[in-house]
Amino acid sequence: AQSVTQLGSHVSVSEGALVLLRCNYSSSVPPYLFWYVQYPNQGLQLLLKYTSAATLVKGINGFEAEFKKSETSFHLTKPSAHMSDAAEYFCVTLSGGSYIPTFGRGTSLIVHP
Amino acid sequence: DGGITQSPKYLFRKEGQNVTLSCEQNLNHDAMYWYRQDPGQGLRLIYYSQIVNDFQKGDIAEGYSVSREKKESFPLTVTSAQKNPTAFYLCASLGQSNTGELFFGEGSRLTVL
Repeated sequence: AQSVTQLGSHVSVSEGALVLLRCNYSSSVPPYLFWYVQYPNQGLQLLLKYTSAATLVKGINGFEAEFKKSETSFHLTKPSAHMSDAAEYFCVTLSGGSYIPTFGRGTSLIVHP
Repeated sequence: DGGITQSPKYLFRKEGQNVTLSCEQNLNHDAMYWYRQDPGQGLRLIYYSQIVNDFQKGDIAEGYSVSREKKESFPLTVTSAQKNPTAFYLCASLGQSNTGELFFGEGSRLTVL
């Protein structure tokens, strides 16, 4: 069975600092990978997705993620955090042929002024 | 604009009552999902449907029921058998190809008084 591990349930950064949210997947075949963001009391929005076209994926709001097969990782980064980035972030995988996405537990990003 | 509409946004229920949460999409997607979200527990799959008139139990289906009579609609009923129904409920649909992303509604927050 697939699994997704997000290291750290909470990540705290200062405004302007680098954001790094970690995601590791377990799959014998490279899956499709996604990062979603959730603001309080709202649904999830897609930040970016990896579908094997390119290993470095750029998303909205200045976020990007790099697929590393050797490390089975898909970490999310942003060079400079903004207060508006404070939210919950979910790493999600979907294997080809499956209709059941697998969610990580989520990482809450806290941005300090 | 295409999207997923959930209603109501907030709902209060007395113990012993059944309630139905609405989920409508105009994206022409076949697959739809219901998730439950509790603080610190990520998203848990309740039910999913890959096609009209067919649906499958997810990880926490006990105390819930669904129907899929139309492609656009996937309502969730929280029955009195659900022991701890207070939660945030999210409906989603999957893009036409299973390499596609999930589209989420804005969620429904149910509180049992």
